[in-house]
Amino acid sequence: DTAVSQTPKYLVTQMGNDKSIKCEQNLGHDTMYWYKQDSKKFLKIMFSYNNKELIINETVPNRFSPKSPDKAHLNLHINSLELGDSAVYFCASSQGEFYEQYFGPGTRLTVT
Amino acid sequence: GIQVEQSPPDLILQEGANSTLRCNFSDSVNNLQWFHQNPWGQLINLFYIPSGTKQNGRLSATTVATERYSLLYISSSQTTDSGVYFCAVDYTGTASKLTFGTGTRLQVTL
Repeated sequence: DTAVSQTPKYLVTQMGNDKSIKCEQNLGHDTMYWYKQDSKKFLKIMFSYNNKELIINETVPNRFSPKSPDKAHLNLHINSLELGDSAVYFCASSQGEFYEQYFGPGTRLTVT
Repeated sequence: GIQVEQSPPDLILQEGANSTLRCNFSDSVNNLQWFHQNPWGQLINLFYIPSGTKQNGRLSATTVATERYSLLYISSSQTTDSGVYFCAVDYTGTASKLTFGTGTRLQVTL
């Protein structure tokens, strides 16, 4: 009964490929997020959705496209992967904005 | 944007010792959270503490919002406390997003 889950946990792919990461939460939350953690462990917001509507797009290249089919899911699709996209991607959710956020286990993406 | 600074950047403790981690932030906040990222990379919620004091076992946290800082206390440290501790804030006047500090890397030795 994992609260916030992500698949896959590890993703190794070549430059130029397209890949997706899926996120699901069973907490009944209405706000979901994607964060990126770089090789120096720095965590930064990428996107947030509230009730399936995009509310934050933090100057992320348009090769990254989030999609929220319903309030419990927020997927991240990445086109034309580059070496610099290698990172750990975390999904999170909260009940409303400005409330406690709960994080998934992360997806480690390696682009070769 | 808001600045979030954590200190110290690195900390080595012997098992059983106590420590205090600090988080300073440069603007008013709606939300402040402390996380522990364990050696397996998992982000574990420790406290949701925009103001006041909370305790959970050997850990406690205090946020003084008017002075823009928060403290995380770890008492009787154990090797399982090792990892990186992050402070993250959600500041007033923007849509919700956590801005993370650069973390404190803690190593607890036997």
